[in-house]
Amino acid sequence: NAGVTQTPKFQVLKTGQSMTLQCAQDMNHEYMSWYRQDPGMGLRLIHYSVGAGITDQGEVPNGYNVSRSTTEDFPLRLLSAAPSQTSVYFCASSYSGQSFGYTFGSGTRLTVV
Amino acid sequence: TQLLEQSPQFLSIQEGENLTVYCNSSSVFSSLQWYRQEPGEGPVLLVTVVTGGEVKKLKRLTFQFGDARKDSSLHITAAQPGDTGLYLCAGHPSGTYKYIFGTGTRLKVLA
Repeated sequence: NAGVTQTPKFQVLKTGQSMTLQCAQDMNHEYMSWYRQDPGMGLRLIHYSVGAGITDQGEVPNGYNVSRSTTEDFPLRLLSAAPSQTSVYFCASSYSGQSFGYTFGSGTRLTVV
Repeated sequence: TQLLEQSPQFLSIQEGENLTVYCNSSSVFSSLQWYRQEPGEGPVLLVTVVTGGEVKKLKRLTFQFGDARKDSSLHITAAQPGDTGLYLCAGHPSGTYKYIFGTGTRLKVLA
């Protein structure tokens, strides 16, 4: 099994550009989440989804959009990149219910110049 | 607002020493998970604690969930250089679907 696959692994954007970070999982997990991690910090929740067609905002949603048209895919869109969005982005998924841990992708390192 | 506070933030110890990391909240959690993250990688799940007062052991690591399900601790016995990494607690605050992480504890074990 591939688990959680994120693409791309690295990306450099210019201020104002838009892009989509891709996330796919093959474990039939209902829950999926996007996080950003800044140097030396923990993970902050951007957006999350509890199933296809259902998304909600996390702790730091401004500047980001998500959609969940299928169980497998949960793309994160940066609308107009800003230097403050320079970070490492992680996608994660889990079985439904509140006693399961999450499986993480390997991350996308994004630099906005 | 950070709902999960971890302490200490940084810890540098010698091989063979014991240590405890704390994860505290004012909110009740249905369960808590602990992860370890190494540079350039995503967090990897270590354990889930569900019941208030629960204690779980994973080799030299002991995890405890507080009776009120608002806090947890991770104790490492006889730390080894391979234990070096960022330790994170995480969970769903009761009544929400958000899955949030603690502030993290960066551990360095010196040989």
